[in-house]
Amino acid sequence: GAVVSQHPSWVICKSGTSVKIECRSLDFQATTMFWYRQFPKQSLMLMATSNEGSKATYEQGVEKDKFLINHASLTLSTLTVTSAHPEDSSFYICSARPGGADYNEQFFGPGTRLTVL
Amino acid sequence: RKEVEQDPGPFNVPEGATVAFNCTYSNSASQSFFWYRQDCRKEPKLLMSVYSSGNEDGRFTAQLNRASQYISLLIRDSKLSDSATYLCAVNRGKLIFGQGTELSVKP
Repeated sequence: GAVVSQHPSWVICKSGTSVKIECRSLDFQATTMFWYRQFPKQSLMLMATSNEGSKATYEQGVEKDKFLINHASLTLSTLTVTSAHPEDSSFYICSARPGGADYNEQFFGPGTRLTVL
Repeated sequence: RKEVEQDPGPFNVPEGATVAFNCTYSNSASQSFFWYRQDCRKEPKLLMSVYSSGNEDGRFTAQLNRASQYISLLIRDSKLSDSATYLCAVNRGKLIFGQGTELSVKP
């Protein structure tokens, strides 16, 4: 089956630093990748949709200058949390959709747990 | 009001019980519907898609009622391994998730 990896799986950083999270589709080309955030006991909230080679589309209320998304290739998207603060501590999950697939074929990465001290 | 709403839970049931989860959605433009299972500190995994005609996969049955904008998931003969959080999701060009319902199956 299609595999999506995320790196790192967890990260602890100091307030004010930036953290980059990578999302890779290992055995397929992903024209679209999605980034979600999940706080404890809450749902997955879609942050942004990224299409390879174009700017990401951010959901309402998500600061594009704080959460930088780059989808430079068909197998890699990165999310950079800039100037992280404790309230950014969360579980960040990406998903990838193969080209031409419907939404049944959206494959999730294992997530990255970010803790900002 | 949230676009996708689920029973708050948690549901605590004995092994062998039948449990039903409900989910309502507010956007009639939603195109397709899904149930996901999420284990603690893990990513969600697709459990099943939901079709108007209803669909079944072993002990799991999903149903969609477009008129009422409602989807359901029924788990029969629940097992300890069914303990997880169950998320419904609707697609309207992007996946929108409900807040999830936690299920705990006890011996």
